[in-house]
Amino acid sequence: SAVISQKPSRDICQRGTSLTIQCQVDSQVTMMFWYRQQPGQSLTLIATANQGSEATYESGFVIDKFPISRPNLTFSTLTVSNMSPEDSSIYLCSVHFYNEQFFGPGTRLTVL
Amino acid sequence: EDQVTQSPEALRLQEGESSSLNCSYTVSGLRGLFWYRQDPGKGPEFLFTLYSAGEEKEKERLKATLTKKESFLHITAPKPEDSATYLCAVQATNSNSGYALNFGKGTSLLVTP
Repeated sequence: SAVISQKPSRDICQRGTSLTIQCQVDSQVTMMFWYRQQPGQSLTLIATANQGSEATYESGFVIDKFPISRPNLTFSTLTVSNMSPEDSSIYLCSVHFYNEQFFGPGTRLTVL
Repeated sequence: EDQVTQSPEALRLQEGESSSLNCSYTVSGLRGLFWYRQDPGKGPEFLFTLYSAGEEKEKERLKATLTKKESFLHITAPKPEDSATYLCAVQATNSNSGYALNFGKGTSLLVTP
């Protein structure tokens, strides 16, 4: 299996600021994904971040709001920009690894 | 459009009372169907991937099965520690998102002593 860590585990931020979430994997993986889980809801895909190509975003998510970096096969960042209370969610990093998909522990973001 | 529907939304069982969770799906081409367990405040924990109708997989008290339209997660003689939200997700062969998963809303399971 692949072990994924995320930083920070949680944060409380002010409206209008930005937060960068880091995702570190213990194995080299090509396919990495970022999901959002709003309170009481299931997971929604934000974007796919494959190493060596630009991130691709799902409908309703744009690069200016959620810029993603994928500098190598074990690391990625997601930035939540110009935050509003509606961005309060758990943000999860996920990797595709040997036909299985593993998730990080999540970053719980609260925007005031 | 791919759809994943889980039922029931919530289930309460007595310890030892076996039951099944349902995941109905609509997808033009199924690459895989995934089951996860999620505890409060944590990321989803991978349980199973099923690839073709008729396939079954087991892990301790859990058994997952797959047909062309739905999957079941059977829980045999559950214990309180099995209490969690169980998530089902599909991975489509023709998705613009590649290997990304499309999740259902989950079944919240509570097992009481």
